[in-house]
Amino acid sequence: GQQVMQIPQYQHVQEGEDFTTYCNSSTTLSNIQWYKQRPGGHPVFLIQLVKSGEVKKQKRLTFQFGEAKKNSSLHITATQTTDVGTYFCAGGFSSNTGKLIFGQGTTLQVKP
Amino acid sequence: KAGVTQTPRYLIKTRGQQVTLSCSPISGHRSVSWYQQTPGQGLQFLFEYFSETQRNKGNFPGRFSGRQFSNSRSEMNVSTLELGDSALYLCASSELRGQGKTQYFGPGTRLLVL
Repeated sequence: GQQVMQIPQYQHVQEGEDFTTYCNSSTTLSNIQWYKQRPGGHPVFLIQLVKSGEVKKQKRLTFQFGEAKKNSSLHITATQTTDVGTYFCAGGFSSNTGKLIFGQGTTLQVKP
Repeated sequence: KAGVTQTPRYLIKTRGQQVTLSCSPISGHRSVSWYQQTPGQGLQFLFEYFSETQRNKGNFPGRFSGRQFSNSRSEMNVSTLELGDSALYLCASSELRGQGKTQYFGPGTRLLVL
């Protein structure tokens, strides 16, 4: 079945260090979206990637979609305490539906 | 625009009872999806509604059902509650269905089944 695997599950970094989370799908994705969830909050949309090999940047965040549209990554440069939270990737497998398959998420802790 | 609203925000039920959760999408959004979030299983897709029709269903038992009204508001119902149904139930709306349509999540309804 359709699965999206995300690693690592947890990451503890010192403030100022970089952070990366990876997503991998068992089958080709139509698109991939990234969300951030703060403790006690709900997922907040960050970005969506649709094209093969696409790279998008948002300030210190860089998002990549693999050439085969099966994997994706989120890289944060020089983490800050405000980056704390759980980052989810969510794969869309069909252009005809809004159904998303979420990865398990990576929880980021940043030590000041 | 106001965001996605969900009511109630918190709910405590006992096993065997049933529950109805409500979701009001962002004004103008016609697609509503529901997800269940638990520590063990993460975020799992329940169903997707568009134009009052269920377009997609996740791998949940028939105790989980939903509907969408003509104003795009949606409800989901869980009958014969089990302990394992304790979770955060999230509703997400998007303007249209389909590829790359950004989904905006509501704050969720936290259900505790005792």
